[in-house]
Amino acid sequence: SNELTQPPSVSVSPGQTARITCSGDTLAKQYSYWYQQKPGQAPSLVISKDSERPSGIPERFSGSSSGTTVTLTISGVQAEDEADYYCQSEDNSGTYQVVFGGGTKLTVL
Amino acid sequence: QIQLVQSGAEVRKSGASVKVSCKASGYTFSSYGISWLRQAPGQGLEWMGWVTTENTHYAQKFQGRVTMTTDTSTNTAYMELRSLRSDDTAIYYCARDPIEFYDSIGFTNWFDPWGQGTLVTVSS
Repeated sequence: SNELTQPPSVSVSPGQTARITCSGDTLAKQYSYWYQQKPGQAPSLVISKDSERPSGIPERFSGSSSGTTVTLTISGVQAEDEADYYCQSEDNSGTYQVVFGGGTKLTVL
Repeated sequence: QIQLVQSGAEVRKSGASVKVSCKASGYTFSSYGISWLRQAPGQGLEWMGWVTTENTHYAQKFQGRVTMTTDTSTNTAYMELRSLRSDDTAIYYCARDPIEFYDSIGFTNWFDPWGQGTLVTVSS
């Protein structure tokens, strides 16, 4: 399957840890990437190649991978982290395609 | 700093075409690809394809309806979408794309940074 599945929403209180999962068969073979999108803004990359944090991304953002599931973890969530988060990978099983999860709305209570 | 600046909002009738530009600065344009993506109102992200100075690869969904080009004299990428329908109404983004290839997994793409987006509205 070339689909990536994310929970529609995750809610946490400030200072707690948020975990957003993304599952799909292709994740067992391909790298995953995570993007943050705040209202009215373009997405921005927060995690690359499963667990690499691009320059300028706070250390509280981390990524991990296990089999067909990858997880974005935000430790010590801050109000400014409230956003939509999208996972992304590739499907190389047939005609090459880039695939995205449906997105997860992170609400900071 | 690395920046992608897109052209302004467009309104088209069903059946028409639209061409969106994306001017890159702050890096060596020919060393990276540009991917085009879109986001319908209230919806998620959808990849349309990539273009480099040497080749293109389009998502199956858009094959035959999209053309992506580059102009190295101005470091600008273009995306033209034809036969527009109402469900093509979306914000269209360009993004810098390293397009790496590994023998073990084939291609891998990621998008950083993104342009500011161009709203394309298709009316009937």
